[in-house]
Amino acid sequence: EDKVVQSPLSLVVHEGDTVTLNCSYEVTNFRSLLWYKQEKKAPTFLFMLTSSGIEKKSGRLSSILDKKELFSILNITATQTGDSAIYLCAVRWAGSYQLTFGKGTKLSVIP
Amino acid sequence: NAGVTQTPKFQVLKTGQSMTLQCAQDMNHEYMSWYRQDPGMGLRLIHYSVGAGITDQGEVPNGYNVSRSTTEDFPLRLLSAAPSQTSVYFCASSLNPDTQYFGPGTRLTVL
Repeated sequence: EDKVVQSPLSLVVHEGDTVTLNCSYEVTNFRSLLWYKQEKKAPTFLFMLTSSGIEKKSGRLSSILDKKELFSILNITATQTGDSAIYLCAVRWAGSYQLTFGKGTKLSVIP
Repeated sequence: NAGVTQTPKFQVLKTGQSMTLQCAQDMNHEYMSWYRQDPGMGLRLIHYSVGAGITDQGEVPNGYNVSRSTTEDFPLRLLSAAPSQTSVYFCASSLNPDTQYFGPGTRLTVL
């Protein structure tokens, strides 16, 4: 059973749309949740969330964590074709050095 | 800084052959890790290291060995390649286990 579940698995939107990507995780000594963006090659870090209800924001991207309901969302407003990528969510549990990744959401933004 | 470098970029092996994937970083990061990425599977941790001389297994360690004799280098050895090891391999490094910097990846095909 997957410990980190992302939805949807893929998404196609038009430029200018707003999208919301979801990441849910199992409870069990949660430590941190991270979002990464993967274009053609290596994933690049976007956000780290550890506290519930505090929004992290960078330009058109923002993310928030709900520790009570065990999920996080990544919002992208006014999407551009350059936002096309796979968005990966990862969780680190307390006492562990390991990151557990979800399967990712493939976002395609068409002109 | 070159960041995280991986060699080779591409490799084709025959079943049963052995090889080493190289990973180096010049950021003086203590934490390094190896992941494999398969279609629809996200990133899965193979092995990781929290410092020179210290390594540990991740989620999918079977068939792979690692060593960490220096802070900079973290090679991944395939002992006897199998078709199931066909994948894209990413090395990552960081000051902490969360905000990891990924290398460009090695695409490995085992025939």
